[in-house]
Amino acid sequence: GENVEQHPSTLSVQEGDSAVIKCTYSDSASNYFPWYKQELGKGPQLIIDIRSNVGEKKDQRIAVTLNKTAKHFSLHITETQPEDSAVYFCAANTGGFKTIFGAGTRLFVKA
Amino acid sequence: NAGVMQNPRHLVRRRGQEARLRCSPVKGHSHVYWYRQLPEEGLKFMVYLQKENIIDESGMPKERFSAEFPKEGPSILRIQQVVRGDSAAYFCASSPPQGAPGTDTQYFGPGTRLTVL
Repeated sequence: GENVEQHPSTLSVQEGDSAVIKCTYSDSASNYFPWYKQELGKGPQLIIDIRSNVGEKKDQRIAVTLNKTAKHFSLHITETQPEDSAVYFCAANTGGFKTIFGAGTRLFVKA
Repeated sequence: NAGVMQNPRHLVRRRGQEARLRCSPVKGHSHVYWYRQLPEEGLKFMVYLQKENIIDESGMPKERFSAEFPKEGPSILRIQQVVRGDSAAYFCASSPPQGAPGTDTQYFGPGTRLTVL
């Protein structure tokens, strides 16, 4: 079955710097890759997603890149702000119902 | 969270009691998923349901746990004879029906935090 690995588990950056979170997946049939942000005491919230027919997608300060050959995808947050502090989860889906989540990255943005 | 509702938000039970967690999916969504999250950990898949059907319960313990998604009303995750190890946050997610755009995108509710004393 699919396995998703996520790195780093913890990331600390200075406000205004960029943050990068990387994930790898094992099932080459995976074709949908969402990213979720979870703030303390809340449910995961979808922030961006990418499908396998594109290599990059951007939404304001957030971008996601996908390398299907290497089976890895990354989340890039530019000009980080304190409110970006949260736990971020990557995930992979093969087009069926099952979405496999990474273990999460705890991002700290220091003011 | 795109409208998934969960209640109660917090639930306290004593060992041996029953816990009943409710999830109302986004209007029009027919797929419901339940996940469990321990503190400082990731999301562990428990069960996937469509209306009146359990599609995959491979992540749910065989004993004491059950889930349903009736034709009318919310999805229910039921934990019988709770033990301290059941203390966790339980999240529900929903997705659009098969054939609809974004059927593979899951939208999460705010979660129910279960504490077993």
